Amino acid sequence: EVQLQESGPGLVKPSQSLSLTCSVTGYSITSNYWGWIRKFPGNKMEWMGYISYSGSTSYNPSLKSRISITRDTSKNQFFLQLNSVTTEDTATYYCARLTITRDFDYWGQGVMVTVSS
Amino acid sequence: DVVLTQTPPTLSATIGQSVSISCRSSQSLLDSDGDTYLNWLLQRPGQSPQLLIYSVSNLESGVPNRFSGSGSETDFTLKISGVEAEDLGVYYCMQATHAPYTFGAGTKLELK
Repeated sequence: EVQLQESGPGLVKPSQSLSLTCSVTGYSITSNYWGWIRKFPGNKMEWMGYISYSGSTSYNPSLKSRISITRDTSKNQFFLQLNSVTTEDTATYYCARLTITRDFDYWGQGVMVTVSS
Repeated sequence: DVVLTQTPPTLSATIGQSVSISCRSSQSLLDSDGDTYLNWLLQRPGQSPQLLIYSVSNLESGVPNRFSGSGSETDFTLKISGVEAEDLGVYYCMQATHAPYTFGAGTKLELK
């Protein structure tokens, strides 16, 4: 069974970087695409970006140059880094598998990240 | 970016009632490859989102067939034929035809 689990700090100070890990079991990240999605307080959902089976990436332009998604295939993990965070980055962050039909079929349980001094 | 407008924002239903949720797109979601990448997800309280329907009308494996999706171009509908208690939560449409992928604002399904 495909399982994803996010991990990382729940509290980040403004202007610092947010770093999260998504650990995948039951499926290799060298297949399919792997994405990050966040849900803000109040239900709004935002697609942040993804990394492909080959390591190429695609990002939401709204995040401009603040975002980076990388991976470690030896550990079957992929990572999110979001730089220069503000309080507006407070959200629950999810990692998910993106299929060839462009849907997110497996999701992690989510990690709540608060940006606050 | 493509804007997805979901209506209604809140839906109250009794068990067994059939309900529909609308998702309207600011642009056609028909891709140049001939597919339409419009998906429906449900987020139950305290859980991660769950894929229900992909590519407008395809039922995800394991999802009950009381859920169905329809539509084309810019107008899409999710129908639940006989609401059950486990269906309560927030429903989202999501498009993946145009980058960046975008989500509707959500429809909260409550028990009446």
